Amino acid sequence: DIQMTQSPSSVSASVGDRVTITCRASQGISRWLAWYQQKPGKAPKVLIYGASTLQRGVPSRFSGSGSGTDFSLTISSLQPEDFATYYCQQANSFPITFGGGTKVEIK
Amino acid sequence: EMQLLESGGGLVKPGGSLRLSCTASGFSFSDYTFNWVRQAPGKGLEWVSSINSRSNFINYADSVRGRFTVSRDNARNSLFLQMNSLRAEDTAMYYCAKEDYYNMDVWGQGTTVTVSS
Repeated sequence: DIQMTQSPSSVSASVGDRVTITCRASQGISRWLAWYQQKPGKAPKVLIYGASTLQRGVPSRFSGSGSGTDFSLTISSLQPEDFATYYCQQANSFPITFGGGTKVEIK
Repeated sequence: EMQLLESGGGLVKPGGSLRLSCTASGFSFSDYTFNWVRQAPGKGLEWVSSINSRSNFINYADSVRGRFTVSRDNARNSLFLQMNSLRAEDTAMYYCAKEDYYNMDVWGQGTTVTVSS
């Protein structure tokens, strides 16, 4: 199974800050990676797929990069509605696996 | 608007069974692969199962293989998860999710499964 390791597990940041979350795969997954945002009591929402393709309707302050084993999600200027938990997910092979999550909290 | 609506969750005793349903609307259900994903209380996301459009490519997580069965009825725009021999560790919110370009782009609101005596 491919293990997905996210870091940090939590981050405290202020509105307007630049935030970067990283995700490392235990083996190469090319660009078969997606990022999701989840708010409390809600279903996850896809932000990025194919490592760097922005899902329709997602603000351009979100961006993704990476390939192989190392990936990152960047929020260029944190907005109040961005405080949430973020997950990476590999789609290279079964079983599909998610990272452990990164909680972005208000400083 | 593309929507998924899960149902069938509830409280069940260890060893019991439940059948979850997921009904789709707003898109061509039969064209897509679907996944079940669960989330234990206060925990992260765990993929459970995947079924392709023709039901001829099905996968399960090791934690549920042999106990859970995924199926679909394209004529009824519906996805199912039959869960047998339930354990306490199966307690979670269960989401169905549509797959597109190798990501889960549409999710239901979830249905809660609680396994407890």
